[in-house]
Amino acid sequence: EVQLVVSGGGLVQPGGSLRLSCAASGFRFSDYSMSWIRQPPGKGLEWVANINQDGSEKYHVDSVKGRFTISRDSAESSVYLQMNSLRGEDTAVYYCAGGGGGVWGQGTMVTVSS
Amino acid sequence: DVVMTQSPLSLPVTLGQPASISCRSSQSLVYSDGNSYLDWFQQRPGQSPRRLIYRVSNRDSGVPDRFSGSGSGTDFTLRISRVDAEDVGVYYCMQGTHWPHTFGQGTKLEIK
Repeated sequence: EVQLVVSGGGLVQPGGSLRLSCAASGFRFSDYSMSWIRQPPGKGLEWVANINQDGSEKYHVDSVKGRFTISRDSAESSVYLQMNSLRGEDTAVYYCAGGGGGVWGQGTMVTVSS
Repeated sequence: DVVMTQSPLSLPVTLGQPASISCRSSQSLVYSDGNSYLDWFQQRPGQSPRRLIYRVSNRDSGVPDRFSGSGSGTDFTLRISRVDAEDVGVYYCMQGTHWPHTFGQGTKLEIK
């Protein structure tokens, strides 16, 4: 079964850090680009970051550049999102997706609040 | 950034009737390889999004054939030939041609 399992969300104070993880199974991980997409409560979707199949190309949306970093580990079949200098506007459900959006994980809530 | 504009934003439909959602992009979505990277996603209440259509008109595995996509350039359409109760949710178009990839605002489909 093709599956993406997301972990690492939670409550963090403004300026704090979190690391999200997404573990893939059921498909050849190295064949797929991977992405993080977020959804603020009650709002629409925003593509946050993307990494290509071998990790040589990364894209981050302007609103997170310099603060968030996407990475992947083929040995672990996992993709990560390191989030630093978190702000209130980063509060959202964060989804991991593979293959340009063909496969999605269950999402994890990140709340940035004092 | 490429702006994706969906209409309508709210879509009440009678069971068994057809439905249609329009999506317009602020720039052409034709990539250098000749493909247009326009996808459609469905998000049922409380669930993760699910891709229905990729590259304008290709249905993902397991998607009922009552869903179809069409369009070119900057104008695209998702059609549901006969709405079923399980189709309730929010539908998003997304362009993957230009960085950053961008989504439409979402269209909420409900049963009348």
